[in-house]
Amino acid sequence: AQSVTQLDSQVPVFEEAPVELRCNYSSSVSVYLFWYVQYPNQGLQLLLKYLSGSTLVESINGFEAEFNKSQTSFHLRKPSVHISDTAEYFCAVSDWGNTDKLIFGTGTRLQVFP
Amino acid sequence: DGGITQSPKYLFRKEGQNVTLSCEQNLNHDAMYWYRQDPGQGLRLIYYSQIVNDFQKGDIAEGYSVSREKKESFPLTVTSAQKNPTAFYLCASNQQGVKSGANVLTFGAGSRLTVL
Repeated sequence: AQSVTQLDSQVPVFEEAPVELRCNYSSSVSVYLFWYVQYPNQGLQLLLKYLSGSTLVESINGFEAEFNKSQTSFHLRKPSVHISDTAEYFCAVSDWGNTDKLIFGTGTRLQVFP
Repeated sequence: DGGITQSPKYLFRKEGQNVTLSCEQNLNHDAMYWYRQDPGQGLRLIYYSQIVNDFQKGDIAEGYSVSREKKESFPLTVTSAQKNPTAFYLCASNQQGVKSGANVLTFGAGSRLTVL
């Protein structure tokens, strides 16, 4: 069965510092991988996704994630965070053969301090 | 603007009462989903529907019911059988459903249910 692990429930960081939010998954088949962001009292928004091709994917607001098949990871990184990046971030996975079910991790709360 | 509208945003309920959460989308998406979010547990799938008049149970369907009479609407009823209904409920939709090969979801803003 698929699963997603986000080891860090909270990540505090100062503004302009780099950050990495970790995501590991387990699956016996090929997968699609996603990062979603949730601002307080709102729904989730897609941040970026890996479907195929280049293992490094980027978002429009400076985040990037790299698919590492050997380590079954899809860590999210940003070289310099802003206060506005404060939110909860969810990693998610679905497999090629069962795309109607998206499995979410437990989330990582990123808190950016001035 | 196209999107998903969930109502009400906040809802209080007494124990033993059923309550229905509304989810409407104008994206012409085929598939719709209901998730429950609890602190520290991420999102868990309650029900999903790929086409009108058809729906499937997710991982935590007990105590919930849904209907899909129209493509744009997917209401969720939280029944009195749900033992711990206080949570944040999120509705989502997907343009291509099962056939797409990539389940990119669009989410509503959520409904927060509190049982008193």
